[in-house]
Amino acid sequence: EIVLTQSPGTLSLSPGERATLSCRASQTVSSSYLAWYQQKLGQAPRLLIYDASTRATGIPDRFSGSGSGTDFTLTISRLEPEDFAVYYCQQYFTSPTTFGPGTKVEIK
Amino acid sequence: EMHLVESGGGLVQPGGSLRLSCIASGFTFTGYWMTWVRQTPRKGLEWVANIRLGGGEDYHVDSVKGRFTVSRDDAKSSVYLQLSSLADEDTAVYYCARHNRGVFDHWGQGTLVTVSS
Repeated sequence: EIVLTQSPGTLSLSPGERATLSCRASQTVSSSYLAWYQQKLGQAPRLLIYDASTRATGIPDRFSGSGSGTDFTLTISRLEPEDFAVYYCQQYFTSPTTFGPGTKVEIK
Repeated sequence: EMHLVESGGGLVQPGGSLRLSCIASGFTFTGYWMTWVRQTPRKGLEWVANIRLGGGEDYHVDSVKGRFTVSRDDAKSSVYLQLSSLADEDTAVYYCARHNRGVFDHWGQGTLVTVSS
């Protein structure tokens, strides 16, 4: 099973700032089968990015994903008030698919 | 607009059973695998089971094999998760989600299962 580690655990930033979230895999995630989700309090996760860098339908272009192999990054170029949430990465290269523990982006 | 609505959660005693349901609308249900994912504060998000379009193939995470069973009824645009021999560690919010090439692109609001005596 591929274990995903996310850092930092919490990111304290102000609206308008840039957020950089990391996801590291215990093994190579080939074909960049890595996704990112956003979850707000009391809501279900929402797909943001798949295949490491492809934005899902309706996701604003301030969200971008990059990386390959074992190291992946989610970048939010300028934080909007609605972006403060928890973000999870997911690998779907091997079964079982697994999720990271999440990074909380909070208002500083 | 796509919707997934789960139901069937609740309080159940250890060793008990429960059947979760998820009704889909707004998309061609027969064209997609469907998935159940659960979430706990301790373990985070955990994939539980998925079922192929048409229902001919399904998979479960090792920790629930032999206890949980996923099924679907395409005529009702519904997917189900039968939970049995429930234990404390099965306490979680259970989400159904549309499974699209490995990712979960639409989720329901979740249903809470609490296992407690």
